[in-house]
Order: sequence, then structure tokens, then C-alpha cells
Amino acid sequence: SYELTQPPSVSVSPGQTASITCSGDKLGDKYACWYQQKPGQSPLLVMYQDSKRPSGISERFSGSNSGNTATLTISGTQAMDEADYYCQAWDSSTTVVFGGGTKLTVV
Amino acid sequence: QVTLKESGPVLVKPTETLTLTCTVSGFSLSNARMGLSWIRQPPGKALEWLAHIFSSDEKSYSTSLKSRLNISKDTSKSQVVLTMTNMDPVDTATYYCARTTAGSGYYDYWGQGTLVTVPS
Repeated sequence: SYELTQPPSVSVSPGQTASITCSGDKLGDKYACWYQQKPGQSPLLVMYQDSKRPSGISERFSGSNSGNTATLTISGTQAMDEADYYCQAWDSSTTVVFGGGTKLTVV
Repeated sequence: QVTLKESGPVLVKPTETLTLTCTVSGFSLSNARMGLSWIRQPPGKALEWLAHIFSSDEKSYSTSLKSRLNISKDTSKSQVVLTMTNMDPVDTATYYCARTTAGSGYYDYWGQGTLVTVPS
């Protein structure tokens, strides 16, 4: 079955740029999207179709997807960005896969 | 305003069948290419996709759980129902329903989730 691999954790200093990766076989041939999840909350879509930001999501969030890796980049990271981040893609036209999640710590 | 709300039992005994309902508003389940999925998250763990159903009535299930799942919809009631048989303590999780559109690749709206506990 298809798998998406994320680093368990990423640390970043306030104001710096955080990059969270998501790896999967030929992931660049699929659409990748990203969700932010804060404790006790439902996931929130922050990036879709590789690099599109939903309405209301800060311009500090950007995305890319090529080869086997999709990347979510957060520039000028703020304390409010501290959360778990999950990548997601469709394995085929019928099944969905989530990455294992990355805990972003702003320290 | 699009909303999704999950409902169902808080506690399910081992071997019993879980039935969850997702009630939606602000859109119709009969809208072209509209889809709804069930996704779960065990405490402290990652999201896991379970199943989805589209307005065309096309259905798909997680390969590892396929034998235990059934998804259906009642468009007139704006509801999608998931049943999971033979519940086990490892099925303890928050269960979410989420909306997608065929071909879009993403979930734009999520319910608040409902925590289901299966005691050991």
C-alpha cells in the first residue's frame, strides 16, 4: 500500500523559516495537501493541490511538490504556527493516504 | 455556511458494531462530484482514512479495514452513515467526517469529531 513519510518533529526559532517534508513514491505525480491540527481541534486545510492556499490562510504558508517529496514551508514562523501538520494524497482515484504527522515546535 | 457534525455512541463494547452518523448542512450530498469521507485519529496518533462515498454513490474503503466497514448516505436527510463491525480497543479514536470534491484531492471542511472508546 502507498505510504507517506514525514519527520516526527521539526523545531524552528520564531521568525525563521520552517520546512516540513512529506515523501512518497512518485508523490510529485499526485496532488498533495497539508492540514494543520492544534490540540483538541479538527484538522484545518492550509495547502491544497501542492501549492494553493485556501482563503484565510496566511501568505507565510507555501507549498511545493516534485519527484518524491512535497514540502510545506512556513516563513516568518510564529508561535501560533505551533501545531501538528499532516500531508495527504490520493493513492489512486479511490483511496486516500495521510502522512504520519509532524509536530512543529517554535522555540 | 457549511457544517458537518458527527454523532454516535461514546462507548462501544468489544465485538459490538459501531454506527456513526455525519449530518451536513450548507450543501447537498447530491451536488455533482461531492464526496464525504470518514477519518479517524487514535489518541496521540496520526490521521487514518477509513472510507468515502460520492454523490454518484461510488464508495471506497481502507484496504486494511474493508471487511469491517460499510458507508452509506441518505441524501434526503443530509446524512452519511459509517458502520464498523467487531470493535476492538485499538479502534478507540476520534472519528471525523470531512468533505471533498471528486478530483480535488483535499478535504475543505471537517466535522468537530466524536471520540469513541472501546474499553479493554
